[in-house]
Amino acid sequence: IVLTQSPATLSLSPGERATLSCRASQSVISNVAWYQQKAGQAPRLLIDDASNRATGIPARFSGSGSGTDFSLTISSLEPEDFAVYYCQQRSNWPLTFGGGTKVEIK
Amino acid sequence: QVQLVESGGGVVQPGKSLRLSCAASGFTFPSYAMHWVRQAPGKGLEWVAVVSYDGTEKYYTDSVKGRFTISRDNSKNTVYLQMDSLRPDDTAVYHCAKDLWTWLLQFDSWGQGTLVTVSS
Repeated sequence: IVLTQSPATLSLSPGERATLSCRASQSVISNVAWYQQKAGQAPRLLIDDASNRATGIPARFSGSGSGTDFSLTISSLEPEDFAVYYCQQRSNWPLTFGGGTKVEIK
Repeated sequence: QVQLVESGGGVVQPGKSLRLSCAASGFTFPSYAMHWVRQAPGKGLEWVAVVSYDGTEKYYTDSVKGRFTISRDNSKNTVYLQMDSLRPDDTAVYHCAKDLWTWLLQFDSWGQGTLVTVSS
């Protein structure tokens, strides 16, 4: 299953709302997770199964979607949120990631 | 807290072998599936392999099938990745990752990774 993330880069200012998209080449039901990766660091789980915030993740992060279309929303960007975000599906083998969306400071 | 520490990376010639290890602590290791995920320099994430909590089930991404073998030793809280017939496109940072549950196939803890460079 191919996951296509858009846009590739999102240029926003702190305090703005970010909406990231992940589209699957076939239905993955709700089996999508979202990860955040900062430069030089390991990824961190944000959302599991489309909409469940992982332990310790702030409420400004939310996920939605089902079937083939998913989104990650950051309601108000904090300085520490500028990073690369990946979606990942677990519906079919092999497990796959999207190509990533970089959220950069405008 | 959960700690995952990878080791075993390095520079290796094409066609050679390398064995990666990941030492786990801070959780009940025998209860969780464990994964390897890699990231080529400047690129995105690629899932490589998973081993079930008891070592009986293993799955691989297509590009490493027949060349890589994942295994675990629950008495040592360690997961391994044996990499044979290495190719230049295997060059990446290799992370081990803990499954969110016994077999949920999402990753809630990651190691910092170990760099594998395949070059002549």
